[in-house]
Order: sequence, then structure tokens, then C-alpha cells
Amino acid sequence: KAGVTQTPRYLIKTRGQQVTLSCSPISGHRSVSWYQQTPGQGLQFLFEYFSETQRNKGNFPGRFSGRQFSNSRSEMNVSTLELGDSALYLCASSLTTRLETEAFFGQGTRLTVV
Amino acid sequence: GESVGLHLPTLSVQEGDNSIINCAYSNSASDYFIWYKQESGKGPQFIIDIRSNMDKRQGQRVTVLLNKTVKHLSLQIAATQPGDSAVYFCAENIRGGFKTIFGAGTRLFVKA
Repeated sequence: KAGVTQTPRYLIKTRGQQVTLSCSPISGHRSVSWYQQTPGQGLQFLFEYFSETQRNKGNFPGRFSGRQFSNSRSEMNVSTLELGDSALYLCASSLTTRLETEAFFGQGTRLTVV
Repeated sequence: GESVGLHLPTLSVQEGDNSIINCAYSNSASDYFIWYKQESGKGPQFIIDIRSNMDKRQGQRVTVLLNKTVKHLSLQIAATQPGDSAVYFCAENIRGGFKTIFGAGTRLFVKA
């Protein structure tokens, strides 16, 4: 069974540009969450999707957005990139909407903004 | 912002010893707690979880303890091995919130 797949693995962008990251959850998983991980920090929650609906959003500016498709694949977009957006972006998928559900993480997309 | 804190940012233990990683959480509405392990270049990996109606749960070589009175969570690793070297995160799910809040992480070094 394939795990969570994130593409691309590495990305270099220039300030002011926009970027789209992709996440394919484990087959059958309908909940997808996104996190930003920066050096020295814990993982910061970005948003969570289930059945194409965003159910919660973290404390990030509106430049960060996401969506989920009918096949549960998800994308996140960051517009007008800033240097501080350089981070590892992680996606996690879960099987159900139940509270006690193990989340499986992908390897992440390393975004560098120059 | 919201966060789950950790008492020790780094922990160094001798191979074969037991490790204890501590975590403090702040949200009384949290119902579910998880420990994750993250190795270099990889995403976090689930280790063990515990519901708020429990105070202890054991897995293979790992035990999680939950003290809701003082909002404290700990991960105990028995007979620590070099392969246990990683960053460990505690995390909490807030009831009905559909999101997980992670702590800053503790790096565990295992000395051979």
C-alpha cells in the first residue's frame, strides 16, 4: 500500500512568486492536513480537509490556501512568497473523521524562497 | 500562537538506558494525544497515542503517561537503541477542532 506522496520534494522559488504543492493521501484516506515545519520550530498546522471541505485553518495569512479534490488529493498554494515561507511543508492523511485516528505523514516538500 | 511545549529541547542517553521525554500541553479541551518520531529527511512517524480517559498506555518498548491534572505528557523508551535517535514530538487533538497541535520537539541522541 503506497504511503502519502508529496510532490515535488524540493522547490526553489523567488520572492513574490507563487507556488503549488501537491499531496496524494493513502488510498481510502479522506482527511488531509497540511503543516509547515521550520528549523527550530515544531510543526505548525495550516489546514485540514475532508471530503473537499476545509474544516479548520491555522494562524497563517491569507496567502496560504488549499483545496481538496474529489479523489482526496490535496494541493496547497502560497502566493506572493516571502523569505520566511522557506520551510518543509508536510502533508498527513487519516482514514476517518474520528478523533482518535492515526495520521500518516509524507516526506514533505522542501521549499526555499530566495 | 497555540503550542504544546516541551521541557527539554535535547536529550542524550547511553545505549541501553531508558529515555524519558516530557511535554506540557495547555489546552484542557484536548482529548487525544500522540507522540511522533521524526528522523532526518523523513516526515513524522506515529509512535503511540493515548486518549484523555486513560493515564497510561504501553507499546513495544514505549510507554506514554498522561497526567491531566498538571497537563503533562511523557514518553518513556525502554532500552534505548541507536535507531531511536530522532526528534520526538508530542501532539494534541482538540475535541471537535479537526486539527493537531504539535510541540517544538525534543532531539534524542543515543550514545553507543
